[in-house]
Amino acid sequence: EAQVTQNPRYLITVTGKKLTVTCSQNMNHEYMSWYRQDPGLGLRQIYYSMNVEVTDKGDVPEGYKVSRKEKRNFPLILESPSPNQTSLYFCASSARAGGVETQYFGPGTRLLVL
Amino acid sequence: GNSVTQMEGPVTLSEEAFLTINCTYTATGYPSLFWYVQYPGEGLQLLLKATKADDKGSNKGFEATYRKETTSFHLEKGSVQVSDSAVYFCALRSGANSKLTFGKGITLSVRP
Repeated sequence: EAQVTQNPRYLITVTGKKLTVTCSQNMNHEYMSWYRQDPGLGLRQIYYSMNVEVTDKGDVPEGYKVSRKEKRNFPLILESPSPNQTSLYFCASSARAGGVETQYFGPGTRLLVL
Repeated sequence: GNSVTQMEGPVTLSEEAFLTINCTYTATGYPSLFWYVQYPGEGLQLLLKATKADDKGSNKGFEATYRKETTSFHLEKGSVQVSDSAVYFCALRSGANSKLTFGKGITLSVRP
């Protein structure tokens, strides 16, 4: 089954304690990205990756890092989490087929930073 | 830059009512347009899409037509069901980066 998986699904942490949210896709997609969803703001892109070892900032990259060492994985790293990073995070991947591109989203990771 | 504006919510309808959710956009070039749906406790699912002017996307009884002259992509359904209760996001993609630009989302509640 084609899917994007994220772990953990729920996380409560404290300010300053480094954490990593993993994302993995089994569709051999080149493009992957991270979004955060906040009430009244919709989804905003944090980082994206066009392929292995190619990453770039999205609209709200401050406080986040990513890496793309393998095609299937795209972890999101919060080196020193702060309460304003409390949010719902989605990983997505996509590829073109027949000239049309569709993004597939993971189930989301709900993060609370105390 | 690109932006998507959705009508303010939430929206509450009775079962079998007609649904319209407005969406307008600003973008450079020729964007692709999407509607995503998020059911309670789940991630986003693609509901429908349109890639060029006058295209109509449709799925599960929902429809939306890409109107370049009014820069709109309104979502409609003739008869909503309780199971349609969810958050609906309008989005566009334009440019080399495959980033989706989302509207704020609107919560739809359908009562029996």
